Amino acid sequence: EAQVTQNPRYLITVTGKKLTVTCSQNMNHEYMSWYRQDPGLGLRQIYYSMNVEVTDKGDVPEGYKVSRKEKRNFPLILESPSPNQTSLYFCASSSGLSTSEQYFGPGTRLTVT
Amino acid sequence: AQSVTQLDSQVPVFEEAPVELRCNYSSSVSVYLFWYVQYPNQGLQLLLKYLSGSTLVKGINGFEAEFNKSQTSFHLRKPSVHISDTAEYFCAVSFPDQGGSEKLVFGKGTKLTVNP
Repeated sequence: EAQVTQNPRYLITVTGKKLTVTCSQNMNHEYMSWYRQDPGLGLRQIYYSMNVEVTDKGDVPEGYKVSRKEKRNFPLILESPSPNQTSLYFCASSSGLSTSEQYFGPGTRLTVT
Repeated sequence: AQSVTQLDSQVPVFEEAPVELRCNYSSSVSVYLFWYVQYPNQGLQLLLKYLSGSTLVKGINGFEAEFNKSQTSFHLRKPSVHISDTAEYFCAVSFPDQGGSEKLVFGKGTKLTVNP
């Protein structure tokens, strides 16, 4: 089954404690991205990757890091989380960008206290 | 600036009534248009997309959307909604980027609530 998986689905942590949210896709997609969803703000792109070892900033990259060492995996790293990073995070993948369907993971709800 | 506007943040309707969710975008060049749906506690999934050709696009679950280039709109419609259509709906537009690439921009979403 074609899917994008994220782990963990729920995470409560404290300010400053480094965390990683994993994302994996089994569709051999080149393009992957991370979004955060906040009430009233919709989806905002954090980072994206066009291929292995190729990443770039989205609209709200501050406080986040990513890496793309393998085609299927695109982890999101919060080196020093802060309460304003409390949000719902989605990973997505696609075979391209402009005309292709984005496949979304189930989401990770992060709370930083 | 490239932007996507969903004019209604919430739309309540009764079951079996028609519904229209509005989406407008700002662009002077050709774009590609998408509607995604997010059911409670789930990720987003594609409803339909417009790339070229007929301006009336049909999607899953009985939804359709009409592209209007002169009004830069891509409104989503369904003639008769069901309780199961209760979800949040996102319009997304793929704009040409300055570097020759494309940028996908999402609207802020419209929460559709279907009441019995």
